Amino acid sequence: GQQLNQSPQSMFIQEGEDVSMNCTSSSIFNTWLWYKQDPGEGPVLLIALYKAGELTSNGRLTAQFGITRKDSFLNISASIPSDVGIYFCAGRIIQGAQKLVFGQGTRLTINP
Amino acid sequence: GAVVSQHPSWVICKSGTSVKIECRSLDFQATTMFWYRQFPKQSLMLMATSNEGSKATYEQGVEKDKFLINHASLTLSTLTVTSAHPEDSSFYICSARAGSEQYFGPGTRLTVT
Repeated sequence: GQQLNQSPQSMFIQEGEDVSMNCTSSSIFNTWLWYKQDPGEGPVLLIALYKAGELTSNGRLTAQFGITRKDSFLNISASIPSDVGIYFCAGRIIQGAQKLVFGQGTRLTINP
Repeated sequence: GAVVSQHPSWVICKSGTSVKIECRSLDFQATTMFWYRQFPKQSLMLMATSNEGSKATYEQGVEKDKFLINHASLTLSTLTVTSAHPEDSSFYICSARAGSEQYFGPGTRLTVT
């Protein structure tokens, strides 16, 4: 089946540093969604992307839909302790398709 | 963003009993809802897609007679774990589609003793 390769799997950074993570696939996606999940909670939608090349920001978060439509990245600037959690990318292969394909997640740990 | 609620947030049941989990879209109507299962330190695993007024579509390897899904209205889907066993213990998360976006509930922690 379709797979999303998300990297890195984990990150250990100092507070205030910038963070970058990405997802790649061999398939072409029409939608990319980025989620954050805190322990014991459901994922929360951070950013949604719909067009190739689209660059969207949400506060300190910025995400881009790759030109080839096979990848996306998420950047977090000036990290703070509450950014700790697991970040998942998710995408839809074709327009209107119901199922999301998920990446394996990036676990972010911040040292104060 | 759209809000999805789930009830209960956690449940402990004895082996052999059934447990029902409710998923509601609070401020929007969802013709499509999804049920996921998540094991510790892993990604979300789609169990089934639930469409209002029709039978759910189950993913390969998911027993439809064990995990009963009902999507009786545009704001409510339920997952019933029948004859639960300890291996069914997991974190179950529902999700509802709103346009091109998809919103998740807070999850239900099921422990079967």
